[in-house]
Amino acid sequence: KNQVEQSPQSLIILEGKNCTLQCNYTVSPFSNLRWYKQDTGRGPVSLTIMTFSENTKSNGRYTATLDADTKQSSLHITASQLSDSASYICVVSSFSGGYNKLIFGAGTRLAVHP
Amino acid sequence: ETGVTQSPTHLIKTRGQQVTLRCSSQSGHNTVSWYQQALGQGPQFIFQYYREEENGRGNFPPRFSGLQFPNYSSELNVNALELDDSALYLCASSSWGRDTQYFGPGTRLTVL
Repeated sequence: KNQVEQSPQSLIILEGKNCTLQCNYTVSPFSNLRWYKQDTGRGPVSLTIMTFSENTKSNGRYTATLDADTKQSSLHITASQLSDSASYICVVSSFSGGYNKLIFGAGTRLAVHP
Repeated sequence: ETGVTQSPTHLIKTRGQQVTLRCSSQSGHNTVSWYQQALGQGPQFIFQYYREEENGRGNFPPRFSGLQFPNYSSELNVNALELDDSALYLCASSSWGRDTQYFGPGTRLTVL
């Protein structure tokens, strides 16, 4: 069964600190992996995308890593800001049956406190 | 902003009623996907529309149906609403053959 599991479920950190969110997946066939940021009550916004051959991808203070052998990914946030408070969702893309299917994790809810 | 719009923003219905949610895709996009996101969960794929036809479907019953119009906008219809249908409904638009999807702000449906 195609699954994406994220940890921790929630996280509280102080402003300025770093944090790392984890994602494990069992999806086949694998097309790519994305990290999305979702503010409360809003739609998800893509932060990074990585294909099978990419190990790391950065977007400002966000750095994602991918280990396709162990099927694990992480999202590292550096020097956190209050505006980083949101849910971060790991999404694996799988092309099958003629269309591209996105399998979403449940997300990690991050709260950044002053 | 992604350029994807959804209406209404919020909606309250009672069990057994029917609801229609609307989505306008980003300019240049011809594919629309619908997702259901329960509180505290990740989005679950409902179905995808391309060229006004359903192109793929997740594990949702037939009372979830959709339409895509010639201008690529889309509707999600849910009949015989159940309490568990309460969720944020997201629509995402993309170009066929490209898997980058841009999400709208969602419609929050509450079923009482």
